[in-house]
Amino acid sequence: GQQLNQSPQSMFIQEGEDVSMNCTSSSIFNTWLWYKQDPGEGPVLLIALYKAGELTSNGRLTAQFGITRKDSFLNISASIPSDVGIYFCAGPAPNSGYALNFGKGTSLLVTP
Amino acid sequence: ETGVTQTPRHLVMGMTNKKSLKCEQHLGHNAMYWYKQSAKKPLELMFVYSLEERVENNSVPSRFSPECPNSSHLFLHLHTLQPEDSALYLCASSHRSGGRDNEQFFGPGTRLTVL
Repeated sequence: GQQLNQSPQSMFIQEGEDVSMNCTSSSIFNTWLWYKQDPGEGPVLLIALYKAGELTSNGRLTAQFGITRKDSFLNISASIPSDVGIYFCAGPAPNSGYALNFGKGTSLLVTP
Repeated sequence: ETGVTQTPRHLVMGMTNKKSLKCEQHLGHNAMYWYKQSAKKPLELMFVYSLEERVENNSVPSRFSPECPNSSHLFLHLHTLQPEDSALYLCASSHRSGGRDNEQFFGPGTRLTVL
């Protein structure tokens, strides 16, 4: 089945640093989604990407849909303590009109 | 209430109990989902309802029984669960129409512990 690989698995950074994480797929996607999950809460949709090469921002977050359509990147600029959480990439599951496949997540820790 | 709400937020039950999880979406969406999130595993889709009809069931054991009485409400009925069913159960909703079908919005989850 389709695999989504996220890296890095975890990051430990200082406040103010920029962060970059990525997600790769074993097959082509037509949509990439990025979610953030805080402890004890459900995932929150950050950015949705629909076109190869697309670059979309949401405040300090920027995500890109890779040209090959098999990868996506999420960047966070000038990180702050509330950026702490787990970031997931997701895309439509093949052979399903409804399901999303999720990566295992990148855990981000930010120290003041 | 806004967004997607779930109750209860925490649930502890014995293996012989019967309980239900409730989800309500206030977004005017027409599709609802149940996911299971276990430690160190990706989110696993359990069930999908579109226009109140079950359209996907991902080989979920029969001890989990979903119910969707209308487009705003979704239930997950639980009976004779096993300790390995302990997990965070997440509800999500989306609007099935052209363009943004894949954007799913999640509730806060129910943390279930089976003793």
